[in-house]
Amino acid sequence: NAGVTQTPKFRILKIGQSMTLQCTQDMNHNYMYWYRQDPGMGLKLIYYSVGAGITDKGEVPNGYNVSRSTTEDFPLRLELAAPSQTSVYFCASRRTDSTNEKLFFGSGTQLSVL
Amino acid sequence: DAKTTQPNSMESNEEEPVHLPCNHSTISGTDYIHWYRQLPSQGPEYVIHGLTSNVNNRMASLAIAEDRKSSTLILHRATLRDAAVYYCILRARYQGGSEKLVFGKGTKLTVNP
Repeated sequence: NAGVTQTPKFRILKIGQSMTLQCTQDMNHNYMYWYRQDPGMGLKLIYYSVGAGITDKGEVPNGYNVSRSTTEDFPLRLELAAPSQTSVYFCASRRTDSTNEKLFFGSGTQLSVL
Repeated sequence: DAKTTQPNSMESNEEEPVHLPCNHSTISGTDYIHWYRQLPSQGPEYVIHGLTSNVNNRMASLAIAEDRKSSTLILHRATLRDAAVYYCILRARYQGGSEKLVFGKGTKLTVNP
């Protein structure tokens, strides 16, 4: 079982460029999430999805877009990269909405916008 | 949002027990207490969770105060591989099932050989 896989692991963007962070999970989880973690800080929720075709905003959605066409994939799109988006991005998934269910995280994508 | 308070850092020696405290004085009756840890350059990893009773698993134990305003994660014998940032989190459910996990800064645990 690969779990939650994120690509790329590292990326440097210039201001104004766009890119897509990929996230895929092979556990057939309905719920998927994107978090960002700024240096020395905790995680903040960007977007989440409760199933294919359904997405919603988290705490810090500005500057990002997501889509969920399949259960397995949940890509995060940055349209016009800004220095404030320099961060480590984590994708996560879980099976159901129950508060007993644990989250599985990917290993992260470190993004620098210069 | 119900918040948690943890010490910024703690140190332990290898093979000694470690008690990581967490205060959550505004916890609601339906909030579960979850602990995750984040090893260097990795994503967070689930450790343990509980509601009211103390819990044990192969990784750790969770002791929850009777009034639920605090909890303690117990690593019975710390190893060098336990060096990580430990997050105490309240699972607050919102309408629609959004997982607004509130990750604070956590406690950075250093394990000395």
